[in-house]
Amino acid sequence: NAGVTQTPKFRILKIGQSMTLQCTQDMNHNYMYWYRQDPGMGLKLIYYSVGAGITDKGEVPNGYNVSRSTTEDFPLRLELAAPSQTSVYFCAAVSSGGNTIYFGEGSWLTVV
Amino acid sequence: SQKIEQNSEALNIQEGKTATLTCNYTNYSPAYLQWYRQDPGRGPVFLLLIRENEKEKRKERLKVTFDTTLKQSLFHITASQPADSATYLCALDISGGSNYKLTFGKGTLLTVNP
Repeated sequence: NAGVTQTPKFRILKIGQSMTLQCTQDMNHNYMYWYRQDPGMGLKLIYYSVGAGITDKGEVPNGYNVSRSTTEDFPLRLELAAPSQTSVYFCAAVSSGGNTIYFGEGSWLTVV
Repeated sequence: SQKIEQNSEALNIQEGKTATLTCNYTNYSPAYLQWYRQDPGRGPVFLLLIRENEKEKRKERLKVTFDTTLKQSLFHITASQPADSATYLCALDISGGSNYKLTFGKGTLLTVNP
């Protein structure tokens, strides 16, 4: 049981490039989230999903897109990378009832 | 605007003492509050959840209190150990308990000195 798996762990992008951060969970949880964490700051919610086929914006969605075609996968897409998107990205999955939240190990993204 | 604040950016204590971390919030009526531990280069790890109708929750050496009148949560680690050194995050549910969306504080870096 791997929990929440994120790939890649590290990535350097050039300004204007696109990429997808992958997130997979093997716990069959309906609720999934993408957060970003900047140095010295709290985690900020980018997008979330309450189930397959349903996504919604969080606090800082601009510059990102998501999809949720299956319960297991919740990829985060950056279409035109900007330096402001340099951050650590965390994916999370929550069981119904919200009692336990599982985070992935993070994806470190640098845009230069 | 809605705010969540963890009063100390860093806290240093001596091994064996009790560490007390504070989380204050404004303009929320959260259904619950959570505490996480985060080690350098790792994702947050869930520790405890306390609901709005609960005053106190315990788990081994951890204790959390939740005062909805003061809009404050206290997180205690008793008999602290160097292995407890980490950043501790508090988080509020801002979805009324429906979508489990969380707002996080910036965290408190706890260092337990041997």
